[in-house]
Amino acid sequence: EAGVAQSPRYKIIEKRQSVAFWCNPISGHATLYWYQQILGQGPKLLIQFQNNGVVDDSQLPKDRFSAERLKGVDSTLKIQPAKLEDSAVYLCASRPRGAGETQYFGPGTRLLVL
Amino acid sequence: GEDVEQSLFLSVREGDSSVINCTYTDSSSTYLYWYKQEPGAGLQLLTYIFSNMDMKQDQRLTVLLNKKDKHLSLRIADTQTGDSAIYFCAWDTGRRALTFGSGTRLQVQP
Repeated sequence: EAGVAQSPRYKIIEKRQSVAFWCNPISGHATLYWYQQILGQGPKLLIQFQNNGVVDDSQLPKDRFSAERLKGVDSTLKIQPAKLEDSAVYLCASRPRGAGETQYFGPGTRLLVL
Repeated sequence: GEDVEQSLFLSVREGDSSVINCTYTDSSSTYLYWYKQEPGAGLQLLTYIFSNMDMKQDQRLTVLLNKKDKHLSLRIADTQTGDSAIYFCAWDTGRRALTFGSGTRLQVQP
């Protein structure tokens, strides 16, 4: 079974530029998450989707971050405009239905904002 | 909100046991997890424990949960150099997202 795919793996941009990340979850997983992991910290949830609907986006800085999950499969996370403090690893995870199942994480996209 | 604390760093010799601790202030989580993260890699689930259990053993891994003291620990027996990584405890929130600790860097010396 293929894992969670993310692209690109690395991205370097200048502040005030825009950037987009893509995630393809494990086939059949209804729930998709985006986490932000700043260097030296644990991941923090940005947004959670159930199929193509948003379950929780309370931690998403909506003035600059947006995310969508069209058709309830792939998802994109966008930052516009980027700030220096957005430098982090952006992790996508998916979760199957059923109690007790945990999340499966992709390799992440490492973003550096200069 | 949730507050999860982990010690920053642990160094052990190869073959010794490692114990990584995690404390929290408040949670109604059903499941508690331990994840491993190697440099440049994503998060790998090591093990998890149901909140009504005190202990779970999985090969070289032993998880202990003390709900009264809000304390979770991970013991790695016969620690190997390949175990060197950052270890995160994590909690399942009411909406099934995860809250993570700050991570403990385990260094295994040959």
